[in-house]
Amino acid sequence: DSGVTQTPKHLITATGQRVTLRCSPRSGDLSVYWYQQSLDQGLQFLIQYYNGEERAKGNILERFSAQQFPDLHSELNLSSLELGDSALYFCASSVLPGVVDGYTFGSGTRLTVV
Amino acid sequence: ILNVEQSPQSLHVQEGDSTNFTCSFPSSNFYALHWYRWETAKSPEALFVMTLNGDEKKKGRISATLNTKEGYSYLYIKGSQPEDSATYLCAVNNAGNMLTFGGGTRLMVKP
Repeated sequence: DSGVTQTPKHLITATGQRVTLRCSPRSGDLSVYWYQQSLDQGLQFLIQYYNGEERAKGNILERFSAQQFPDLHSELNLSSLELGDSALYFCASSVLPGVVDGYTFGSGTRLTVV
Repeated sequence: ILNVEQSPQSLHVQEGDSTNFTCSFPSSNFYALHWYRWETAKSPEALFVMTLNGDEKKKGRISATLNTKEGYSYLYIKGSQPEDSATYLCAVNNAGNMLTFGGGTRLMVKP
C-alpha cells in the first residue's frame, strides 16, 4: 500500500455520462497530480493541485475538471464521456511540488466508456 | 513542456541476460531525474532519484547513471529475471516543478 488511495478501482459507464474519480493523498503530502494513461500511451499529465489551489495544468480537456478539498483529497470530474476517454487514471502525491523525492502513486482507476 | 524520450519502447530478453535502456531529456534547467518501475495492474514504484551529473545509484541488480550535461540517463539490469518484467518509466523534474514522464520501456524477460 503506497498510502495514496484511489476510488473506485474500476468504472464502466456509457458515453455522454459523467463520473467522479477520487484520490486521497499520502498522509502529509500537500500536492496532488492527476495523470491519464491510454492504450499504448505514456503517462499524460492532466492537472496538479497544491494545498487546495490549482498549480499546473497539462493536456486536460475542457470536459474534465478537478479540485482539491480542505482535507487535501482530490476529485477528478469527467463529463460528456466519449469512448476515447477510456483509460487508466492515476493520482500521485508529493509533500511539495517538485520535491526531489518524487511522487507516490495510487493504484489507479480504470475507466471504461461503452 | 519537457520532451522526455525513452528507448527502446519495448525489449525482450532471456533470463540471465543483462540489459540497459536510455532516457533522454533537455539538459537546460535540469533539477532531478526519477526512475520508476511499473508492473501491470500495480502503481508505478520509485526506483531511483538522481540530481547530480555523474550520479550512480544501485539497488540489487538494477543500477542507473546520470549525465546532466548531455541529457541522458541509463538504467541497467544485470542478470535479468522474469520478475523484472515491467515497464520502466523515466521522469524529469525541471526547475523544481512537476515531473514529466517519458513513454516508458516495456521489458519482458523470458524464462
